[in-house]
Amino acid sequence: DTTVKQNPRYKLARVGKPVNLICSQTMNHDTMYWYQKKPNQAPKLLLFYYDKILNREADTFEKFQSSRPNNSFCSLYIGSAGLEYSAMYLCASSRDGGFQDTQYFGPGTRLLVL
Amino acid sequence: GDSVTQTEGLVTLTKGLPVMLNCTYQTTYSPFLFWYVQHLNEAPKLLLKSSTDNKRTEHQGFYATLHKSSSSFHLQKSSVQLSDSALYFCALGTGGYKVVFGSGTRLLVSP
Repeated sequence: DTTVKQNPRYKLARVGKPVNLICSQTMNHDTMYWYQKKPNQAPKLLLFYYDKILNREADTFEKFQSSRPNNSFCSLYIGSAGLEYSAMYLCASSRDGGFQDTQYFGPGTRLLVL
Repeated sequence: GDSVTQTEGLVTLTKGLPVMLNCTYQTTYSPFLFWYVQHLNEAPKLLLKSSTDNKRTEHQGFYATLHKSSSSFHLQKSSVQLSDSALYFCALGTGGYKVVFGSGTRLLVSP
């Protein structure tokens, strides 16, 4: 099974409120990624876990948090949502995370902040 | 830094015609190129990948050849079908854990 699951598929949030998105995979992959995708833009890497080590991109360091309580699950947390957070959030996993590795994506969570 | 450029945002074609979706990249490292496809309301999934210069890679009727001399990895198909309507992403891996994506090309195939 090469499925990556994401919950919820759609999320409506109010400005200033927290948001928590969930991702899971059962492939025993070492690396899990979170991307932000806005219309007509490339998926933007926000952060990734290699095993238990979290790596956050410098330009989004303070905006997003994440946790990975076990190999299968990974969350993306926004402490205080702003209008600019409205986007599709894609989770992906790969076997060991090397740049040659295929990434397996979930269907995404569409977040709308009002 | 590393980058990927997909010049067409939208390509519309009639079924049965050939298609080429452009992908060029910039990097100072040895490149590894991917094409991912995302159908409506589905997850993006790998279509094909390559790191070998001047070698054609094929999958599900699509093919691409990495040309390091021109920094290109264009995606082609000789005869598109209605089911090929989707969003296509080109992506570049050059080292470490990071892959850089292009902005995507939406292919719309009409009857």
